[in-house]
Amino acid sequence: DGGITQSPKYLFRKEGQNVTLSCEQNLNHDAMYWYRQDPGQGLRLIYYSQIVNDFQKGDIAEGYSVSREKKESFPLTVTSAQKNPTAFYLCASSISSVPGNEQFFGPGTRLTVL
Amino acid sequence: GENVEQHPSTLSVQEGDSAVIKCTYSDSASNYFPWYKQELGKRPQLIIDIRSNVGEKKDQRIAVTLNKTAKHFSLHITETQPEDSAVYFCAASGANFGNEKLTFGTGTRLTIIP
Repeated sequence: DGGITQSPKYLFRKEGQNVTLSCEQNLNHDAMYWYRQDPGQGLRLIYYSQIVNDFQKGDIAEGYSVSREKKESFPLTVTSAQKNPTAFYLCASSISSVPGNEQFFGPGTRLTVL
Repeated sequence: GENVEQHPSTLSVQEGDSAVIKCTYSDSASNYFPWYKQELGKRPQLIIDIRSNVGEKKDQRIAVTLNKTAKHFSLHITETQPEDSAVYFCAASGANFGNEKLTFGTGTRLTIIP
């Protein structure tokens, strides 16, 4: 399935709590991405990283934070500042961020705020 | 930034007939247009893509056409089969720093009626 994994598959969190979603890839890809998927809204980019120790905000970065300390890992933290965090979160990677390189997606994490 | 619109949001087609999904984009600098298929409960996967120096690309039963002047591109599936039932997303990206990220359409849920 492309060597990109996400955990956990399902995550429940109480309001006001931060939570971290894991994304790991063994494809030796430089670029990694986090998307949020809501019904009827397609995939919206939260953050992306073109290389280790570097990342940029996407279209809906407010209330989220990321780190890229290792090439293989790009964890996403959903903070209490995110107003509506219940969603399906997809991580992706590509060999580089140059357009034309296929993005490979992980299986996703479904986050529910109780 | 880039804006991608996708139509229709749902499409039902008799098995064996053709299906067409259309997308428009706003940024004339965009030059890479992939299509992703997401089956129920699974991750999105690239099925075909096209670059702006090509007007049409075919891969067995699927084809993509691009009209740069009108800024629209379409996915064509011929001889549809039950396994074509899925949500399809179009996307667009540019080549220059700052617009290399993918912007996705809102998706089309395709149902093949046996």
